Amino acid sequence: DADVTQTPRNRITKTGKRIMLECSQTKGHDRMYWYRQDPGLGLQLIYYSFDVKDINKGEISDGYSVSRQAQAKFSLSLESAIPNQTALYFCATSDAGAGSYNEQFFGPGTRLTVL
Amino acid sequence: TQLLEQSPQFLSIQEGENLTVYCNSSSVFSSLQWYRQEPGEGPVLLVTVVTGGEVKKLKRLTFQFGDARKDSSLHITAAQTGDTGLYLCAGASSGGNEKLTFGTGTRLTIIP
Repeated sequence: DADVTQTPRNRITKTGKRIMLECSQTKGHDRMYWYRQDPGLGLQLIYYSFDVKDINKGEISDGYSVSRQAQAKFSLSLESAIPNQTALYFCATSDAGAGSYNEQFFGPGTRLTVL
Repeated sequence: TQLLEQSPQFLSIQEGENLTVYCNSSSVFSSLQWYRQEPGEGPVLLVTVVTGGEVKKLKRLTFQFGDARKDSSLHITAAQTGDTGLYLCAGASSGGNEKLTFGTGTRLTIIP
């Protein structure tokens, strides 16, 4: 079984709709992240969380919100989707332990299309 | 804002050839990671380099961290079709490893 799972894998929605993307992990990591990937732009950090009570904005948080329901679960919401939020979305985890360099373990991604 | 520029953005070569991909920044990083991403999947970590001047080898892949810890290179010897993918570098900022800054990516295609 995959260590980091994302649902759904693909989603097509309309402008103005509320969308939630979910991420679950079995790696036991405290740190979780949401990234957006657009062609030619690499990965941009949307939000990150170091534990259940910790939520931090990344580079491009406008238009997004997150919820850390448990150590293993981190969801991303688009309150009112717009077409320029069409992208690949990745969840990732990392270990905060001694000797860690914050190496990230990624889920398979969600392809979101906003019409 | 720290930026990581990768070059080339696209590279298409014949199987068996050698290639080098570059990752450059004006900022200093405490460590730098390389990931490979295949279509329909998330990035997968290849290596982490930590010390300025460090060289790490992973079979036919050689990774080097610049002496000043501002840049890195990935050299592939005798490329194979299985090397095809998007290569991403990512730097961890000094003073804390809370976040990574990802490069713009190099899309590599190995032609059989």
